[in-house]
Amino acid sequence: NAGVTQTPKFRILKIGQSMTLQCTQDMNHNYMYWYRQDPGMGLKLIYYSVGAGITDKGEVPNGYNVSRSTTEDFPLRLELAAPSQTSVYFCASRTPGTGKSPLHFGNGTRLTVT
Amino acid sequence: KQEVTQIPAALSVPEGENLVLNCSFTDSAIYNLQWFRQDPGKGLTSLLLIQSSQREQTSGRLNASLDKSSGRSTLYIAASQPGDSATYLCAVITTGTASKLTFGTGTRLQVTL
Repeated sequence: NAGVTQTPKFRILKIGQSMTLQCTQDMNHNYMYWYRQDPGMGLKLIYYSVGAGITDKGEVPNGYNVSRSTTEDFPLRLELAAPSQTSVYFCASRTPGTGKSPLHFGNGTRLTVT
Repeated sequence: KQEVTQIPAALSVPEGENLVLNCSFTDSAIYNLQWFRQDPGKGLTSLLLIQSSQREQTSGRLNASLDKSSGRSTLYIAASQPGDSATYLCAVITTGTASKLTFGTGTRLQVTL
């Protein structure tokens, strides 16, 4: 049972570089989310998707882009990396509907922009 | 806008003690509330989920309660163990928000020998 898989685990970027954080889930979950976690600040929602081909902005979308071409994959793209994007990024997924479905998280990608 | 608060931010207890972690939220129109555990350098693991129609959920030594009208939830840990040391986060889905969770900032728990 792989669950939610994120790659890479760690990455250091220079200011202005770009990269894609990968997220894939094998639970056939329609809903997928990207969060960032900063020390003492809790988790903030960047983007989310309720199904293939559908994405929407969360609280802190600036500087990021997403796509959802398949149910399994939900990559997060950083264009022109800035020091403010230094954070731990978590991908998560769940099934929609009844309210009984918990959120499943990946192990995170720790990104440093210098 | 939903806001979720967890108090205290950090807690240290000796092994064997029973303890309570608190979570409060400002908008009582929630779909459900989840408690998570996060170990250092790891992702979040779901511990308990309480639907809006429920009052409590139990799993082993953990019991979570929900009082929607007052905007409060508690996580009770019985007979704490050093392995319980972690950060505990609560999160709510507010109705009408397309299943987006709002997280608290967590309580960092240390259980000492």
